[in-house]
Amino acid sequence: GENVEQHPSTLSVQEGDSAVIKCTYSDSASNYFPWYKQELGKGPQLIIDIRSNVGEKKDQRIAVTLNKTAKHFSLHITETQPEDSAVYFCAASTGGYQKVTFGTGTKLQVIP
Amino acid sequence: EADIYQTPRYLVIGTGKKITLECSQTMGHDKMYWYQQDPGMELHLIHYSYGVNSTEKGDLSSESTVSRIRTEHFPLTLESARPSHTSQYLCASSEWVGTDTQYFGPGTRLTVL
Repeated sequence: GENVEQHPSTLSVQEGDSAVIKCTYSDSASNYFPWYKQELGKGPQLIIDIRSNVGEKKDQRIAVTLNKTAKHFSLHITETQPEDSAVYFCAASTGGYQKVTFGTGTKLQVIP
Repeated sequence: EADIYQTPRYLVIGTGKKITLECSQTMGHDKMYWYQQDPGMELHLIHYSYGVNSTEKGDLSSESTVSRIRTEHFPLTLESARPSHTSQYLCASSEWVGTDTQYFGPGTRLTVL
């Protein structure tokens, strides 16, 4: 089955700096790669996603890049703010009857 | 914000009690999931369903059981709670068509004394 590795497990940045979280996947058939943000006391919420036919997607301060050849994808957050502090999960899926496989999570702390 | 609800949000219960964690969604999604999440953050899939009368065990072995009698409802039951069941339980749902985006509920924090 699919295996998704996520690094780093914890990340501290100064407010205003950029943060990058990286994930690798094993199943070349995976074609959908969402990123979730989980704030304290809440369930994970989708913040951005990318399909395998796209190399990069941006939404304001967050962007995701995908390298299908290397089977890795990354989340980039620019101009970080304290409210970006949360746990972030990457995931990979082939859709249909296949389950979504989540990474192990990255705890991001933005220091004011 | 997604329309998926979990009750109770917090539950403290003694060993040996039977409990049911409720999960409901109003989006008409066929797929539903239960995850167990410990303070170590990782999400462990314990049960999932592709639709009414469909239930499957997930990647992490669990003593809990689930049922799917109605599309919108996916309750999780523990017949005899133990301290090892103390954890956060997250319910999620997704569509068949389009993306596999999962919409999560707020979670139930279970403590078994």
